[in-house]
Amino acid sequence: AQKVTQAQTEISVVEKEDVTLDCVYETRDTTYYLFWYKQPPSGELVFLIRRNSFDEQNEISGRYSWNFQKSTSSFNFTITASQVVDSAVYFCALSEESDSWGKLQFGAGTQVVVTP
Amino acid sequence: NAGVMQNPRHLVRRRGQEARLRCSPMKGHSHVYWYRQLPEEGLKFMVYLQKENIIDESGMPKERFSAEFPKEGPSILRIQQVVRGDSAAYFCASSPAGGGAKEDEQYFGPGTRLTVT
Repeated sequence: AQKVTQAQTEISVVEKEDVTLDCVYETRDTTYYLFWYKQPPSGELVFLIRRNSFDEQNEISGRYSWNFQKSTSSFNFTITASQVVDSAVYFCALSEESDSWGKLQFGAGTQVVVTP
Repeated sequence: NAGVMQNPRHLVRRRGQEARLRCSPMKGHSHVYWYRQLPEEGLKFMVYLQKENIIDESGMPKERFSAEFPKEGPSILRIQQVVRGDSAAYFCASSPAGGGAKEDEQYFGPGTRLTVT
């Protein structure tokens, strides 16, 4: 069963618009980690953030922000004032204490297309 | 500070041949993970290794696939008798620690694109 759901397959925005990527996860563990990775057209995977299940504080890093809500099992990602360089596929992932920790379970990804 | 290295970046094999993919973790990292990304799909976990040990191979196909991380040298993902369905991008990641430790963030290599003709 899919443990990480990224319902949005593709989002297209015009430069300077904000874009929010949804991530819903499923776990029975109380201790787990959530991640976001960026995969630009060049293909590499760029680590963006890791958040543990006990830290529900929202985080902001430049134009990026993350909203973690355990009550809805969501870890959403917002890009503010998007730029063309933000065009990429973004993956949300889950790592569980009960499942060898090192096993990242990825969502299907959301393609973000930013046009000038 | 070199990142995770993978080679080759592109590999073409004919059906029935063997493919050997190499991964050198970041300096100081003793945990290695392999993932596969099929065309137009997300990444799927294959195997998690520490030096000389396989920790979790729950994502590895039962046949033709094997992985190792020897005491010296890179981690190797080996695919015997490749078939067209093996065509994918294979990513390696490494972390300095595992087990949910604060330092177990996984950093990915650039991937190896395997094409089976």
